Amino acid sequence: LAKTTQPISMDSYEGQEVNITCSHNNIATNDYITWYQQFPSQGPRFIIQGYKTKVTNEVASLFIPADRKSSTLSLPRVSLSDTAVYYCLVGLKTSYDKVIFGPGTSLSVIP
Amino acid sequence: DSGVTQTPKHLITATGQRVTLRCSPRSGDLSVYWYQQSLDQGLQFLIQYYNGEERAKGNILERFSAQQFPDLHSELNLSSLELGDSALYFCASSVVGSGGEQFFGPGTRLTVL
Repeated sequence: LAKTTQPISMDSYEGQEVNITCSHNNIATNDYITWYQQFPSQGPRFIIQGYKTKVTNEVASLFIPADRKSSTLSLPRVSLSDTAVYYCLVGLKTSYDKVIFGPGTSLSVIP
Repeated sequence: DSGVTQTPKHLITATGQRVTLRCSPRSGDLSVYWYQQSLDQGLQFLIQYYNGEERAKGNILERFSAQQFPDLHSELNLSSLELGDSALYFCASSVVGSGGEQFFGPGTRLTVL
């Protein structure tokens, strides 16, 4: 899986939109971008996955520019329960390569 | 509920001992992954199995071993335990490879005294 870089931490007030950007300069042609959320002492949970342009689900949106060297996870109107660590992973869906979860981005939502 | 089950939830043991952690993947998932998460190391990939065969290896210590059985459940064996092995151990499963959606279990918290 390609190497990714994310901010280590972010703070946001409740009700604001939060955008977390992930850099993946070495993304390969057939790689997908996947985001996970992890609460303390729980396993990571899949949030969203995309290949290009924009993907939206009931939880978040994922914006991917044309060069695909970065992606932005957008969380609309965050609440205290969105305080968690967010991880960005890049790789082939069928990959059997070593999985690298970086340090992720620790999001703190402030009341 | 991800559909991935792990047992036991908690395990307390002494240094030098051996333990076995068990994971049952989601129905239909052929890939199983093991991860270790300690406070100072983040989420570390240990090993991946696909349909009974080892497919990828991370920074798994020689004292650790794993296998995936014909019914697709997996076991992670940790031997000669050290204090530093205390961590949360997660199992995850997916339909195919690691770049697809992985479903994580609730984890086993191992405490080595």
